[in-house]
This record gives sequence, C-alpha cells and structure tokens, in this order.
Amino acid sequence: QVQLQESGPGLVKSSETLSLTCTVSGGSISDSSHSWAWIRQPTGKGLEWIGTIYYTGSAYYSPSLQSRVTMSVDTSKNQFSLRLTSVTAADTAVYYCARQIMTPSTWFDPWGQGILVTVSS
Amino acid sequence: SYVLTQPPSVSVAPGQTARITCGENNIGDKIVQWYQQKPGQAPLLVISFDSDRPSGIPERISGSNTGNTATLTISRVEAGDEADYYCQVWDSSSDHPVFGGGTKLTVL
Repeated sequence: QVQLQESGPGLVKSSETLSLTCTVSGGSISDSSHSWAWIRQPTGKGLEWIGTIYYTGSAYYSPSLQSRVTMSVDTSKNQFSLRLTSVTAADTAVYYCARQIMTPSTWFDPWGQGILVTVSS
Repeated sequence: SYVLTQPPSVSVAPGQTARITCGENNIGDKIVQWYQQKPGQAPLLVISFDSDRPSGIPERISGSNTGNTATLTISRVEAGDEADYYCQVWDSSSDHPVFGGGTKLTVL
C-alpha cells in the first residue's frame, strides 16, 4: 500500500523560499502509470493544485503559481520535492503531496497527511 | 478557466439522504471525482470516474454525473459522514486539475 509523507520547515520567512519533500513508501515513484502532485489548502479554505511531476522529471504547474514554483524528483530516494520562491502570507497553508492517477482521467489517491507551513513576516 | 460550483453547506438528519452537487456547464462531458475531508485529516478519495467507489468506501456513498450537475449522494447518513466534500475534474482546456470550492456536510 503506497503511503506518502511530507517533510520540511513549518515556518518560512516572507520573501524567502519554501522547500518541501515528499517521501513515497510501499511503491516506486518510477511507476510509469502515475505522477506525483502537490496540493495546498489555506486554513479554512479549499484545495488548490500546485503542480505535478512525472518520474522522468517532466513537470507542469498551476498557471497562478508557475513563475514561483519548481518541482523535482529523486528516484534513488523515492522522493519528490517542491520549491516555492518569494513567499508571502498568502502562501501559508497545509501542503499535501499525493499520487496522481493519469488515465483515463485524473485523480489523487492516496494523499500524505499534510504539513502546515506558516509564512512569517 | 473551469470553475466548479458547490453549495457551501448541506445539513441532513441522521438516517436521511444527503445530496451534494457540483455544477458547471456540460460537466456531464467530464469525469468527476469526489473527496471527503474530515477535520484535521487529509482528503480521501470516495468516488472516482463519476460513480466508482474505491475499495473500503461504503455502498451508501454514490455518485452520478449528467448535464450540468454532478451529484454525490450519501444514503442513511451517519454522524461519521460529517466532513467537507470536494469535487474535482480535469480541465482539458487548460490541462490541469480543478477542485470545487467544497461543501460542509453537517449531520444534525
């Protein structure tokens, strides 16, 4: 059974870079039938897709965040990562990583437990 | 871009049926997923492909999708069903996934 676990700092200063890692266990990140995604949720608000990466390193991002987001993958460690630059208070949220099923449609299952990242001034 | 409209809240008494809608023009042409999120927990996929239940999801939970509305139906509602529910589709025009705003289900 695939499980995902987010890790990284819970506090980031405004204007700096948020960096998170998701570790996949119980399955291979190199499984060609899946991709890997980051999704965030500000407190009390809805879900926002951030981006998706394939094990080859090919990635695509939300248009609203594209200029600040970079995702990467480390197949040797079964991990993928998120970098979000120039953060502001609006980036304070719980960040989830999830496995993304690609065909015939797209959905997310399972999800990590989430990590709260607070941007401080 | 594609916008999925959900009612902010739905309330239902225990044992009754809850229906949570997800609306957009011609959503019936898309494939809809539903997630359940209980307080302090990560979202859980409860319906994929409009109406398929993943293993472990009770038969009381079902989905449908036609025309301009997708519907998540929870029969014989229990206190444990109280949660936020989100619909999700793939927006082929922008090539990315889209979530609805979420519906809080309250069990009276």
